Amino acid sequence: DGGITQSPKYLFRKEGQNVTLSCEQNLNHDAMYWYRQDPGQGLRLIYYSQIVNDFQKGDIAEGYSVSREKKESFPLTVTSAQKNPTAFYLCASSRRNEQFFGPGTRLTVL
Amino acid sequence: KQEVTQIPAALSVPEGENLVLNCSFTDSAIYNLQWFRQDPGKGLTSLLLIQSSQREQTSGRLNASLDKSSGRSTLYIAASQPGDSATYLCAVSDGNQFYFGTGTSLTVIP
Repeated sequence: DGGITQSPKYLFRKEGQNVTLSCEQNLNHDAMYWYRQDPGQGLRLIYYSQIVNDFQKGDIAEGYSVSREKKESFPLTVTSAQKNPTAFYLCASSRRNEQFFGPGTRLTVL
Repeated sequence: KQEVTQIPAALSVPEGENLVLNCSFTDSAIYNLQWFRQDPGKGLTSLLLIQSSQREQTSGRLNASLDKSSGRSTLYIAASQPGDSATYLCAVSDGNQFYFGTGTSLTVIP
C-alpha cells in the first residue's frame, strides 16, 4: 500500500533533549512538508522540501531542523532551542499540488 | 500573505440534514483548493481537490465549489450522518506552499 508513515505515534521528551520524528513516504512524491498543529489553531508550516538535498524554512522554523538525503525520507529534529514543543506534528507529501498526510506524532515535553 | 478563513468554527446538526461549510481566501492567485477531514488525534484525509480552472468537484454525498474571483469555496454535505462528525479543513496552494484554515468542527447528532 502506498502512503506516508510517521513514527513514533507518541513521543515524550525531557526538557533540554533533542528528539527526531520520522517521516517516510512510498508515493514517489518530490515535495515533503512538516506542520505543527496546536489546539484551536490551524496547521503551521515548519519546513518543506521540493527536492532531495534542498529544503526551505516555513513560518515557524526556529528550534527545528530537517534533512532530505533521500526522496522517501524527511526527518524532523526538535531541538532544545524550541521553547514550547508540545504539539501534534504532521508530515505531508505532495504531487501536482495535491497533499497527502501521515497519521501524525504527538510530542509531549515532560 | 495568503490568509484562509473558515466559518463557522463549529456546527451541530441533526442526522439527515444537508449542510454547507465555508472557506474564504484573500489571494485569488491559487493553483487549487483542497478539502480535508480530520478525526481527533489523526492525520488529515483528503476529500476533494478543485483545480483553479474548475468550478466544482463531487464525491458521493460531498460537493465542493470554487469561486476564485470572490475568494470563496463551499463544501456541501448531503444527508449528513453521525460518521460525518469530524473537523473539516480547507487549504489553498500557490504552487509552492499550502495555506490552511483553522477548520470547522462538525457534530452530527443521531
